[in-house]
Amino acid sequence: DAKTTQPPSMDCAEGRAANLPCNHSTISGNEYVYWYRQIHSQGPQYIIHGLKNNETNEMASLIITEDRKSSTLILPHATLRDTAVYYCIVVIYNQGGKLIFGQGTELSVKP
Amino acid sequence: GAGVSQSPRYKVAKRGQDVALRCDPISGHVSLFWYQQALGQGPEFLTYFQNEAQLDKSGLPSDRFFAERPEGSVSTLKIQRTQQEDSAVYLCASSPRTGWKKFFGPGTRLTVL
Repeated sequence: DAKTTQPPSMDCAEGRAANLPCNHSTISGNEYVYWYRQIHSQGPQYIIHGLKNNETNEMASLIITEDRKSSTLILPHATLRDTAVYYCIVVIYNQGGKLIFGQGTELSVKP
Repeated sequence: GAGVSQSPRYKVAKRGQDVALRCDPISGHVSLFWYQQALGQGPEFLTYFQNEAQLDKSGLPSDRFFAERPEGSVSTLKIQRTQQEDSAVYLCASSPRTGWKKFFGPGTRLTVL
């Protein structure tokens, strides 16, 4: 599975957009980019995923570069409840599409 | 609707005791995963079931760890002769089909004294 690189921590002001980067330079053509987050003392929560097109849902937007070597998760209007560890994971759909978590980015949303 | 549930939520064991951790996935979900999360670390994959078949157990750290899902629904993770290094949060996740997004339970926090 391709490895991902994320900054260990980021701050964001409440109400502003949070842009979380992820590098996955060794991604292969059939691997998807998934984002999960983990709020303190809870299980991880699915946010969004994509293959090569940009994606948007009610939680976030995912921007994947044309060469697929990096992506950005965008939380358009961050709230205090968005404070969490955000994981960018590259997934191949064999063996059930198991998730290999890295260290993630700890996002702190500040008032 | 009901999500993934795990029990117990907290477990304290003395070193050398056996423990059993239960996962109730979302009804009808085919895939089930177990993860181990040490303090301050990301979750680490342990094992994967598709229905009752254990298709991947490459992440189980030793032969003291055993998982089963005999009827393709509820799963149990058993740890024999617990050691202090087994202290962690054990997470269960399920998904409706292979490769789909995963739904995680709240985890069981195991503390081995």
